[in-house]
Amino acid sequence: EAQVTQNPRYLITVTGKKLTVTCSQNMNHEYMSWYRQDPGLGLRQIYYSMNVEVTDKGDVPEGYKVSRKEKRNFPLILESPSPNQTSLYFCASNFLGTENTEAFFGQGTRLTVV
Amino acid sequence: GDSVTQMEGPVTLSEEAFLTINCTYTATGYPSLFWYVQYPGEGLQLLLKATKADDKGSNKGFEATYRKETTSFHLEKGSVQVSDSAVYFCALTAYNTDKLIFGTGTRLQVFP
Repeated sequence: EAQVTQNPRYLITVTGKKLTVTCSQNMNHEYMSWYRQDPGLGLRQIYYSMNVEVTDKGDVPEGYKVSRKEKRNFPLILESPSPNQTSLYFCASNFLGTENTEAFFGQGTRLTVV
Repeated sequence: GDSVTQMEGPVTLSEEAFLTINCTYTATGYPSLFWYVQYPGEGLQLLLKATKADDKGSNKGFEATYRKETTSFHLEKGSVQVSDSAVYFCALTAYNTDKLIFGTGTRLQVFP
């Protein structure tokens, strides 16, 4: 089954404690991205990657890191989480190319930073 | 920059009512337009799309037409069901990129 898998689904952590949210896709997609969803703001892109070892900032990259060492995996790293990073996070993947840009989303990770 | 504007929610309807959720966009070039749906506790999934002017996307009884002259992509359904209750996101990908730009989402609540 084609899918994007995120883990964990729920996470409560304390300010400053490094964490990683994993994302894996089984569709051989080149393009992967991370979004955060906040009330009244919709989804905003944090980082994206167009292929292995190619990553770039999205609209709200501050406080986040990513890596793309393998095509299927795209982890999101919060080196020193702060309360303003409390949000719902989604990983997404799709093939490159505008006409076929149907993005597939993971089920989301609800992060609370206290 | 490119942006998407959706009507504020929630939209509350009775079963079998007609649905319209408005979406307008600002973009340079010729974007592709999408509606994504988010059911409770789940990620987003593509509902329908249109890639050029006057294209009509349709799926599960939902329709939207790419109107370049009014820069709009309104979502419609003739008869909603309780199972359509979800959050609906209008989105675009700017010309020659793969970046999705989302609207703020519109929550639809359908009551029996």
